[in-house]
Amino acid sequence: GAGVSQTPSNKVTEKGKYVELRCDPISGHTALYWYRQSLGQGPEFLIYFQGTGAADDSGLPNDRFFAVRPEGSVSTLKIQRTERGDSAVYLCASSLSPGTASETQYFGPGTRLLVL
Amino acid sequence: SQQGEEDPQALSIQEGENATMNCSYKTSINNLQWYRQNSGRGLVHLILIRSNEREKHSGRLRVTLDTSKKSSSLLITASRAADTASYFCATVRTGANNLFFGTGTRLTVIP
Repeated sequence: GAGVSQTPSNKVTEKGKYVELRCDPISGHTALYWYRQSLGQGPEFLIYFQGTGAADDSGLPNDRFFAVRPEGSVSTLKIQRTERGDSAVYLCASSLSPGTASETQYFGPGTRLLVL
Repeated sequence: SQQGEEDPQALSIQEGENATMNCSYKTSINNLQWYRQNSGRGLVHLILIRSNEREKHSGRLRVTLDTSKKSSSLLITASRAADTASYFCATVRTGANNLFFGTGTRLTVIP
């Protein structure tokens, strides 16, 4: 079946602009995660959704970052007033059922964001 | 913030040799997972080991977990050029669901 998909693959924007990054999880996966990976580093957690609600948003760096998952499937990560330091690969992952035997997280290919 | 560190940061071996990567972490965990990443994109899940397990195998992969030392190792046997990638360990902390990643090991397998 289809894996996690993310669009766009690459996004170039100017400092101060607003961007939206989209994630389509694996069908039937209730849990969805956003991570951010800077060059040469491991991914860092941003936010976790269980169904439609954000169960843990402790990784969001500041209030310029916001994410939604209105119907419990597709999620959008929104970044306002982008800064050059926001440049990174934004990764989305989904899992069937966290905390159980089916908790493996499957990652999408990521969106590479470059803020000029 | 990163959960822990992988050691070594980079490893270069000849095809056919075994590769061992180590991971240390800081808190109590539910499970530990190893991922592979090519060219800075697409993380691929390799293996998951639970906190009550000590060793797990999957094909040419062998993972060990020592919760008393808060460390894990990934062994890739009979390496191939196609194994060239970055390898990350990631933990799920007790009471949490998200992954905390280490800093990664860059493995190069020379044909």
